[in-house]
Amino acid sequence: GAVVSQHPSWVICKSGTSVKIECRSLDFQATTMFWYRQFPKQSLMLMATSNEGSKATYEQGVEKDKFLINHASLTLSTLTVTSAHPEDSSFYICSASRTSGSYEQYFGPGTRLTVT
Amino acid sequence: AQSVTQLGSHVSVSEGALVLLRCNYSSSVPPYLFWYVQYPNQGLQLLLKYTSAATLVKGINGFEAEFKKSETSFHLTKPSAHMSDAAEYFCAVSDQEKLTFGTGTRLTIIP
Repeated sequence: GAVVSQHPSWVICKSGTSVKIECRSLDFQATTMFWYRQFPKQSLMLMATSNEGSKATYEQGVEKDKFLINHASLTLSTLTVTSAHPEDSSFYICSASRTSGSYEQYFGPGTRLTVT
Repeated sequence: AQSVTQLGSHVSVSEGALVLLRCNYSSSVPPYLFWYVQYPNQGLQLLLKYTSAATLVKGINGFEAEFKKSETSFHLTKPSAHMSDAAEYFCAVSDQEKLTFGTGTRLTIIP
């Protein structure tokens, strides 16, 4: 159990366009979902934390108007990169926890975004 | 505040040799500690976790880690390396809400 999927697994978009990434918990209800960004050969950096039905909490330095996060249901969270630029190219990984305040997160397979 | 330090961004071991990946943590509260493995272009897979129970934690694929409070360490070991162990390994600490990751250690297995 505790499977998290992401779609798409990779996406290429042109500069100035927006792209949406979906994160789904397949076999459990995720009270909290997390979005991470990973640059090549680097660690994961937490971008934001979202709870179902409420606004996401963004980490310092993350532009909330550029990275729109919606957690509309207990099984789905979306990250929309608006007006993407080449510097937004990265590997985006989501994770989910079963209950609020739970220490264990289950990770999705990641989405590779390339902005040309 | 919590943090994790992984010593050695790149570790190479011969196939069949001992694997030792180092992790030291800093936490103001009793920590939950994790080791994750990441294969190229994939997400993270949990290897093992420490949640204040037994200090020696056994995980998947023959890995284990020992929590040493006096040394604030949580080193990952495997007695005999296999070619399939080649990957990136991340140590992480949790304050029951957020995970903070170390910078990762790339493990290379020499045939």
